Amino acid sequence: EAGVVQSPRYKIIEKKQPVAFWCNPISGHNTLYWYRQNLGQGPELLIRYENEEAVDDSQLPKDRFSAERLKGVDSTLKIQPAELGDSAVYLCASSISPIPSYEQYFGPGTRLTVT
Amino acid sequence: AQSVTQLDSHVSVSEGTPVLLRCNYSSSYSPSLFWYVQHPNKGLQLLLKYTSAATLVKGINGFEAEFKKSETSFHLTKPSAHMSDAAEYFCVVRVNTGTASKLTFGTGTRLQVTL
Repeated sequence: EAGVVQSPRYKIIEKKQPVAFWCNPISGHNTLYWYRQNLGQGPELLIRYENEEAVDDSQLPKDRFSAERLKGVDSTLKIQPAELGDSAVYLCASSISPIPSYEQYFGPGTRLTVT
Repeated sequence: AQSVTQLDSHVSVSEGTPVLLRCNYSSSYSPSLFWYVQHPNKGLQLLLKYTSAATLVKGINGFEAEFKKSETSFHLTKPSAHMSDAAEYFCVVRVNTGTASKLTFGTGTRLQVTL
């Protein structure tokens, strides 16, 4: 079974430029998560989707970050414009359901460097 | 608020010697606790989880952890380290929010295994 797929794996951009990350969850997983992992820190949740609906986006910096999950499968996370402090690893995870007993499966992440 | 504290940012052991990665938790009630491992350029992988059943939890690759309520600890151990165990390890507490849940990660412990 294929795991969570993310692309690109690495991205280097200059500040004020836009950037987008793509995630393809495990087939059949209705719940999708985006996390941000700063250097030397654990991941922090940015947004959670149930199918197409963003049900928890309280930690998403909405002035520059946006996300979408059209058709309830793939998801895209966008930053516009990027700032130096956005340099981090952006992780996507998915689970069958948000019910706590179901495990979250993580992708390899996209490492963003903003110069 | 529920949280976890990983007491060591870096642990170095020799191959074949025991591993101890320390984690303390803060929770007003019995928490669900996890250990995840992150190898370079790979996604986070669940090692083991405690969800109020047996206090000694066995995971993959020979790892185990013991939930000690009196000490508010959930330390990760392995009798004999292998070179392939070198990775970043995260202690995680799950916060249940109604019918969903949120994972709160510790800051991580980097395990180095030397010959």
